[in-house]
Amino acid sequence: DAKTTQPPSMDCAEGRAANLPCNHSTISGNEYVYWYRQIHSQGPQYIIHGLKNNETNEMASLIITEDRKSSTLILPHATLRDTAVYYCIVRVASNYQLIWGAGTKLIIKP
Amino acid sequence: DTEVTQTPKHLVMGMTNKKSLKCEQHMGHRAMYWYKQKAKKPPELMFVYSYEKLSINESVPSRFSPECPNSSLLNLHLHALQPEDSALYLCASSQPGRTKYEQYFGPGTRLTVT
Repeated sequence: DAKTTQPPSMDCAEGRAANLPCNHSTISGNEYVYWYRQIHSQGPQYIIHGLKNNETNEMASLIITEDRKSSTLILPHATLRDTAVYYCIVRVASNYQLIWGAGTKLIIKP
Repeated sequence: DTEVTQTPKHLVMGMTNKKSLKCEQHMGHRAMYWYKQKAKKPPELMFVYSYEKLSINESVPSRFSPECPNSSLLNLHLHALQPEDSALYLCASSQPGRTKYEQYFGPGTRLTVT
């Protein structure tokens, strides 16, 4: 059963920040939130993950609410190449499983 | 090298054929995965190998047979498939460990069963 809920699609203007929300209200205390993206017909690409604290890397920032029931992935300056399906995922603590959400199709417009 | 390679890129096979999908990584990862992805759906986990031993089999039909000959290679042997098995088959690898290690995915093999 999916542990995450995402909007099915979003648009963003090129050069602007893209903010992708995710709800994971049933997440357990030791389960990580992961984000991957999948560009058409390619394998999923890891973006970022976090447990409690906000995280930032060269690709994106991850903001997790204090109650851990939701998070937001931020692409600070979206480009056309960021057009993809973005998956918010809960990483089960007891095994290797990634519980994938349905994904958000992000379209970056010129 | 953070690449996972998969061959072939595309495969068309009949329901009576036997074929194999191959996956390779040279990142020193000791966990490797097979996923199946249908169109417009997220990937579904099929198998997990940890230290070359099968650790998870997600109730996959026996017409799919995984093999991990060494720490760098992962195969998926296919036999007597059905048209509904047509999908993108993804391989991934990671460091073993249950929480914090990201999985690196290959580009996938697009399988069509006729």
